[in-house]
Amino acid sequence: QQQVKQSPQSLIVQKGGISIINCAYENTAFDYFPWYQQFPGKGPALLIAIRPDVSEKKEGRFTISFNKSAKQFSLHIMDSQPGDSATYFCAASRMDSNYQLIWGAGTKLIIKP
Amino acid sequence: DSGVTQTPKHLITATGQRVTLRCSPRSGDLSVYWYQQSLDQGLQFLIQYYNGEERAKGNILERFSAQQFPDLHSELNLSSLELGDSALYFCASSVVSGGGGELFFGEGSRLTVL
Repeated sequence: QQQVKQSPQSLIVQKGGISIINCAYENTAFDYFPWYQQFPGKGPALLIAIRPDVSEKKEGRFTISFNKSAKQFSLHIMDSQPGDSATYFCAASRMDSNYQLIWGAGTKLIIKP
Repeated sequence: DSGVTQTPKHLITATGQRVTLRCSPRSGDLSVYWYQQSLDQGLQFLIQYYNGEERAKGNILERFSAQQFPDLHSELNLSSLELGDSALYFCASSVVSGGGGELFFGEGSRLTVL
């Protein structure tokens, strides 16, 4: 119930292509779904987040799609660039002081020039 | 720069030893979180403090302990070190406690146990 399953584990995309990373959750009480981006040698940083009252959120080339009925959400990176090469983590939680973020296992994304 | 400072950046020690990792959160952040990340692995939540009090515990070994001081900096103590404890240890801070707030991560302390 507390797991967030992330796929794929690794992904290689050509420059200019679309990168898609998927996450699935079980706990319907989750109401906050962030994505964090981690470059090698650095700590993760918040990239974009969504609440379940919307089905899509876009920030520049990054879009979260959210499917509440399927309990799935995904990150789309349009026009992927070599600078997007990083590890991406999805997570889920509740907007509640007692809940911790539940993290996906991470996806290592490589954008080939 | 996230505003979270971790020291030391690198640490090499031997099995059986004890080390202390230090974290200074962003100014104004009351919550401090500790995470462990082994090579090419995900983030394992260890423990969280909020304004000096332990708020949540994750997969933290009994050999590990942490505390948050009145000035809000935090220390993670790792004792009786084993080879498997080699990892990146991240500290993160946030304004609020719990899962709805943005976490700001430091650059990590890389621990190597030989």
